[in-house]
Amino acid sequence: EDQVTQSPEALRLQEGESSSLNCSYTVSGLRGLFWYRQDPGKGPEFLFTLYSAGEEKEKERLKATLTKKESFLHITAPKPEDSATYLCAVLGGAQKLVFGQGTRLTINP
Amino acid sequence: DVKVTQSSRYLVKRTGEKVFLECVQDMDHENMFWYRQDPGLGLRLIYFSYDVKMKEKGDIPEGYSVSREKKERFSLILESASTNQTSMYLCASSFSDRDGYTFGSGTRLTVV
Repeated sequence: EDQVTQSPEALRLQEGESSSLNCSYTVSGLRGLFWYRQDPGKGPEFLFTLYSAGEEKEKERLKATLTKKESFLHITAPKPEDSATYLCAVLGGAQKLVFGQGTRLTINP
Repeated sequence: DVKVTQSSRYLVKRTGEKVFLECVQDMDHENMFWYRQDPGLGLRLIYFSYDVKMKEKGDIPEGYSVSREKKERFSLILESASTNQTSMYLCASSFSDRDGYTFGSGTRLTVV
């Protein structure tokens, strides 16, 4: 069974303090790993897809990386507007996304 | 931009009522999905569809059914609402399974 574990559950940073969120996964035949951002009361918003180990993608202050066992979402010099819950999901042989429980990120000004 | 529109942001229904949640996407996506999201449990897949009139059970289909009569519309039906179906319901669509899903804004359903 495909599984995704995200850590930490919650992370509080000061504005400008860089850090990383972790997504560990077990999947039979990874076909894609996805990162989403979710603001309170809203649906998840797609950020990145990574398809193979070693791949990296960037968007503004966010960079996602992928190994054979985990993915990291690095956030550099975050701003308060980066506060959100970040969700990781994997697509394996079952052809449907399996989500982690998310990391709730708070950036204090 | 692809838009996925869910008909209601908030709904309050009584126990035993039949409830319809509607979802419409405007970019000719083949695949559509219904999830529910609960604190501590994350997103759980209820049903999905890869084509018109086609449906597949997800991980928690009990108490739900779906309908996809047109490509752009995917409806979730709660046959007899119960209090344990109080949740945030999220609809999503994608062109292929390797594409990122586009989610709607969600419907927060309360069953009293």
